[in-house]
Amino acid sequence: SAVISQKPSRDICQRGTSLTIQCQVDSQVTMMFWYRQQPGQSLTLIATANQGSEATYESGFVIDKFPISRPNLTFSTLTVSNLSPEDSSIYLCSAAGGPNEQFFGPGTRLTVL
Amino acid sequence: EDKVVQSPLSLVVHEGDTVTLNCSYEVTNFRSLLWYKQEKKAPTFLFMLTSSGIEKKSGRLSSILDKKELFSILNITATQTGDSAIYLCAAEHSGNTPLVFGKGTRLSVIA
Repeated sequence: SAVISQKPSRDICQRGTSLTIQCQVDSQVTMMFWYRQQPGQSLTLIATANQGSEATYESGFVIDKFPISRPNLTFSTLTVSNLSPEDSSIYLCSAAGGPNEQFFGPGTRLTVL
Repeated sequence: EDKVVQSPLSLVVHEGDTVTLNCSYEVTNFRSLLWYKQEKKAPTFLFMLTSSGIEKKSGRLSSILDKKELFSILNITATQTGDSAIYLCAAEHSGNTPLVFGKGTRLSVIA
């Protein structure tokens, strides 16, 4: 199984600023995903982070707001830009290490004031 | 459109009770059904089910999949307060694709 770490684990940000979340996997993985979980909601997929190409965004999420990097097979970042209180959520990174395997990072709890 | 529906959305039981959580799915190119327990932030993996009728068991938790009727159940026997969490069901397409999550069942076990 893959071990995934995320930084920061939590942050409080001011409106209009940006936060970059880092996700590190302890082994090379093909696919990495970014999810958002708003208070009281289930997980919503933001995008699939593709190594060597642009991320693939789900409906309702755009690159300008959620730019993603995937420089190699073990690392990805998600930036949440121009923060508003509605962006207050838990952001989760996950990785697919092989067939039928998907693991989650510990999550980043973002509060926007 | 792919969807996963969980029921009930919330449940309150007393310690020692047995609970059954339900998950139905409609997913193209279905491969597996996964159950997660979410207590604080990140979900922790419980079970992955790929074959119908084969019960997976871990301690007091068990789960089974019915691929004909497109549903799964998660059973917890002799519940404890530590079982209080959100239980998420997710369906996986073939290939390393994102999971499709249900809204979760919030279980509260009271002493």
